Amino acid sequence: EAEVAQSPRYKITEKSQAVAFWCDPISGHATLYWYRQILGQGPELLVQFQDESVVDDSQLPKDRFSAERLKGVDSTLKIQPAELGDSAMYLCASSTLDRGNEQYFGPGTRLTVT
Amino acid sequence: GDSVTQMEGPVTLSEEAFLTINCTYTATGYPSLFWYVQYPGEGLQLLLKATKADDKGSNKGFEATYRKETTSFHLEKGSVQVSDSAVYFCALRNYRGGSEKLVFGKGMKLTVNP
Repeated sequence: EAEVAQSPRYKITEKSQAVAFWCDPISGHATLYWYRQILGQGPELLVQFQDESVVDDSQLPKDRFSAERLKGVDSTLKIQPAELGDSAMYLCASSTLDRGNEQYFGPGTRLTVT
Repeated sequence: GDSVTQMEGPVTLSEEAFLTINCTYTATGYPSLFWYVQYPGEGLQLLLKATKADDKGSNKGFEATYRKETTSFHLEKGSVQVSDSAVYFCALRNYRGGSEKLVFGKGMKLTVNP
């Protein structure tokens, strides 16, 4: 069965450095989501794309976070500069109307900022 | 805004014990309700869902019924196995201005001992 791919799986970076995460959704899924999951909490939506357009980025800290999905397929989430409080799991999910918009999640990228 | 409150753990059970994880929600309109499971080192997997009042979702021996009158979606399993050890998240999905983001509870870690 097709899966959402994410890389890297783990990332350690120093504060004030830049870091980027990549997500490749399930083929044909028009909607892509980035979530942040702080240890001991549930995931929280950062940004939602419909094809290449942003639908919801109300919870994205835009002073340091950016996200793009240029061709409406894979996506990159960037943090610059990273802060200690950004340490978390970053999850990508995708969905399609054909399957009731059920969200399929990737394995996540665990970020540690030192 | 929409929110989910779920029983927090961690909880430890013996194999074949009965499991209940309480979940209540606050939302306007008619949200869909979900239980997701996260195994160690993996992303979230959909366990079951219900899209309208009185619907019962079921999968792998787990069940939950959408109770609009009590705004609840409690997860139950009659006999847990060691392989059920994981973190369980209750979530709702509501349509808001083009976005169908998932709103998650904090999660409950379950450990099942042989």
